[in-house]
Amino acid sequence: DTAVSQTPKYLVTQMGNDKSIKCEQNLGHDTMYWYKQDSKKFLKIMFSYNNKELIINETVPNRFSPKSPDKAHLNLHINSLELGDSAVYFCASSQSVRAGTEAFFGQGTRLTVV
Amino acid sequence: DAKTTQPPSMDCAEGRAANLPCNHSTISGNEYVYWYRQIHSQGPQYIIHGLKNNETNEMASLIITEDRKSSTLILPHATLRDTAVYYCIVSLMYSGGGADGLTFGKGTHLIIQP
Repeated sequence: DTAVSQTPKYLVTQMGNDKSIKCEQNLGHDTMYWYKQDSKKFLKIMFSYNNKELIINETVPNRFSPKSPDKAHLNLHINSLELGDSAVYFCASSQSVRAGTEAFFGQGTRLTVV
Repeated sequence: DAKTTQPPSMDCAEGRAANLPCNHSTISGNEYVYWYRQIHSQGPQYIIHGLKNNETNEMASLIITEDRKSSTLILPHATLRDTAVYYCIVSLMYSGGGADGLTFGKGTHLIIQP
C-alpha cells in the first residue's frame, strides 16, 4: 500500500479554472505538508498542517488553500489558476513536528496550466 | 534559503562507494542533518538523519564531523538505481514558531556510471 498517495498524477487545465489535488496518508501521522517544485526543480514548502493548526508560507498566494477533512487527508484547492502555477506539487507527512522525524512524500501531481 | 552547500554533481562507478559531502557551517546545536534523494519524476525519499553521532541504516551511512559543520553521506555499494539528486538539509522540523518543514537546496546530482 502506498504510504502517501496523491490524485490526480497529472492535471492539465485552463487559466482561471479552480482545481483540487487530493492527498491521503495511511501512516497514522499527525502532520501533513504541501510542497511545490517549480521548473527549476526547487522544492519549497507551501503549508504544514498539524493538529488543526495551519502554518502558511507567507509567499504562497491566497488562491491556494489547504483543506483537511480529517487527520489522514490534506487536500489542496487552487482558485483562479495562473500560468505560473504550473509545477509539480508534492504532499508529505511526518509523525509529528518534533525535531528528528522524517517526512514521507507522495509521488507528486504535475499541474500544467494552459 | 538553504543552509547547506553541496557540489552540483558527482559521478561514481557502479559497485563503488559513493561519498556525498555537505557543508553546514551555520548549523545550530539542536538542528538535525537530513538526507533525502529524488529519483527522476518521483517524490523525495528519506534516506537518513542524525544530530551528532554517526548513523547507519539499510540504505546509507551518515558521518558528521565533530564540530558538526559538515557531513558525508555514504552509499556503500552504489547501483544504477542510486542515480538521483541528493539533498542535504538541516532542520529543526519545528522551530517553536510553527512547522517549518524542510528547506531543500539544489542538491547534488549523483550519476552512477556502469
